[in-house]
Amino acid sequence: DAKTTQPPSMDCAEGRAANLPCNHSTISGNEYVYWYRQIHSQGPQYIIHGLKNNETNEMASLIITEDRKSSTLILPHATLRDTAVYYCIVRETSYDKVIFGPGTSLSVIP
Amino acid sequence: NAGVTQTPKFQVLKTGQSMTLQCAQDMNHEYMSWYRQDPGMGLRLIHYSVGAGITDQGEVPNGYNVSRSTTEDFPLRLLSAAPSQTSVYFCASSYQTGELFFGEGSRLTVL
Repeated sequence: DAKTTQPPSMDCAEGRAANLPCNHSTISGNEYVYWYRQIHSQGPQYIIHGLKNNETNEMASLIITEDRKSSTLILPHATLRDTAVYYCIVRETSYDKVIFGPGTSLSVIP
Repeated sequence: NAGVTQTPKFQVLKTGQSMTLQCAQDMNHEYMSWYRQDPGMGLRLIHYSVGAGITDQGEVPNGYNVSRSTTEDFPLRLLSAAPSQTSVYFCASSYQTGELFFGEGSRLTVL
């Protein structure tokens, strides 16, 4: 089973920040939080990952709570091209299978 | 650097036929995996491999075989195709703990 839970869908106005939450209450100390997105039926695309500190790259920011039980992916200025399914997963530092949950379907509205 | 290459991109089979979906990566990744995605659904893990000669089952392994004779290749075999295996199949690879790189997908229809 997936180790994360996410809302099934969210809407966001174009130009506004999209904040996508993820719950990973059973995360262990060795597990990273990864975010991917899938546009239409393309292969999922990596966005960002983190262990305990907040992270930012050219695509998004990742905020991880201090207890590491939840995180939020932030798309600072959502565009129509950000409409996609967003997946939050946790992955250990050692070899392990990667299980995806159903993700959050984000719709960016003009 | 081609990344993760899947072939074929589209395939139509009749029930009972067998076929192999090919996956190759040129990034020297140890970890490779196969997922299937049914319409409107998320990704479900079929099989995965942490290195040459090592494979293991995922969430939905029944009806599929895999092997990993080289680091680069991870073929997925359907021994006797069934309509329930109609799906889009994605291959993914990564270093031990890094981000997953996905192929473009193989769309399979079983009649």
